[in-house]
Formats: sequence, C-alpha cells, structure tokens
Amino acid sequence: GDSVTQMEGPVTLSEEAFLTINCTYTATGYPSLFWYVQYPGEGLQLLLKATKADDKGSNKGFEATYRKETTSFHLEKGSVQVSDSAVYFCALSDGGSNYKLTFGKGTLLTVNP
Amino acid sequence: KAGVTQTPRYLIKTRGQQVTLSCSPISGHRSVSWYQQTPGQGLQFLFEYFSETQRNKGNFPGRFSGRQFSNSRSEMNVSTLELGDSALYLCASRGFHTIYFGEGSWLTVV
Repeated sequence: GDSVTQMEGPVTLSEEAFLTINCTYTATGYPSLFWYVQYPGEGLQLLLKATKADDKGSNKGFEATYRKETTSFHLEKGSVQVSDSAVYFCALSDGGSNYKLTFGKGTLLTVNP
Repeated sequence: KAGVTQTPRYLIKTRGQQVTLSCSPISGHRSVSWYQQTPGQGLQFLFEYFSETQRNKGNFPGRFSGRQFSNSRSEMNVSTLELGDSALYLCASRGFHTIYFGEGSWLTVV
C-alpha cells in the first residue's frame, strides 16, 4: 500500500538557518503530494502541494519539488523564524476518486532565537 | 470564505459512553473525510463521505461510524468508548486537488 517516510525529529535550528525536512513516498499511480503544518493545540494547515511530477509547491518561503525519479518531496526554507516552530507532516493522496491521505509520522521543528 | 468547522472543540467522556462529533465543510465542498490523530499511531484515516455516501473506510472497528447529510455536513459517532479512543479527531473537506482540515475535536475518555 501507499506509505510516506519523513525524517525523524526533533529538528532544532537557530533563527535564519536553512531548513530541510526529507520526505519520500511509495505509491502506485500518480499521487498528489502535500505538506501540512500543525501548531500546538491546533488542527492541520495546508502549507503547500504539488499534483504532478516536477511541480514545485511554495508558500510562506517554504518550497518542495515533486521528484518522481527519486519519489521524494523534501521541504525547504532558506531562513527559518521562531514562528515556524511546529510539527510538519508530509502526505500523499492517490488521486482519482480516492482522496484518502496517507501521512508521514511528522517532524517537530523548534527554532530558537 | 469560512473554513472547515468542527464542534465541539473539547469534550470529556466516560468509558462505555458514546460521542457524536460534527463537521461542516467549506461551502461547495461535497467530500468530507475524518482522521484520528494520536501520539502513538499518528494520523489515521477513518472514512470519507461524498454526496451522503461512504466511499472509503479505514481500518477501524465498527464502533466508529459516520454519516453525511444533504447539506454536506457530516457527523461521526463512536460508541462504547474505550480509553484508547482518546485522540484529536480531524475533519477534512476536499476541494480541487486540495484537502483542508478543521481545528479538530479533542476527545478525552476517562
């Protein structure tokens, strides 16, 4: 079945550092890929998405590129802020008429001033 | 436009009781799905409804059920609550190639 593997956390960075959170997936067909962010005590917020190979999703300085050849969707940000501290989830949906999301286990990011 | 709305936000129930959670999707969205989030199991898919029909179901016991109304609002029900049902229950609303989540309902079973 479908699966998502993302780097184990926690990740601790200083403000303005470069962020990479790795995400790889296993899926049949042509999934859509997502990054969601969860702040403490809150639900999931869509951060960015990509629906086909080579698409780049971007939002709030975060970027991720859908790499079919490496089955990856790594999240990057050039300069993190304290306010980026949260849990980040990589997810896929296998598209078609089935929009069930399969999530990775989440990566806790803490950014220190 | 309004996002996905879930009620109640927090609730405490006793083992053996049942609970009903409600979700109103984004206006115009006809697909609603539910997820359970726990520290141990992470985010797990419960079920999806589209135009009042359940289209997909995750691997949960029959105590977990749901339904969708003609206005796309959805409810999920958990009967005979167990301690392990304590979790954040998230509702999601599907738009074009995008899935949006509500703030969730925090359920504590004591």
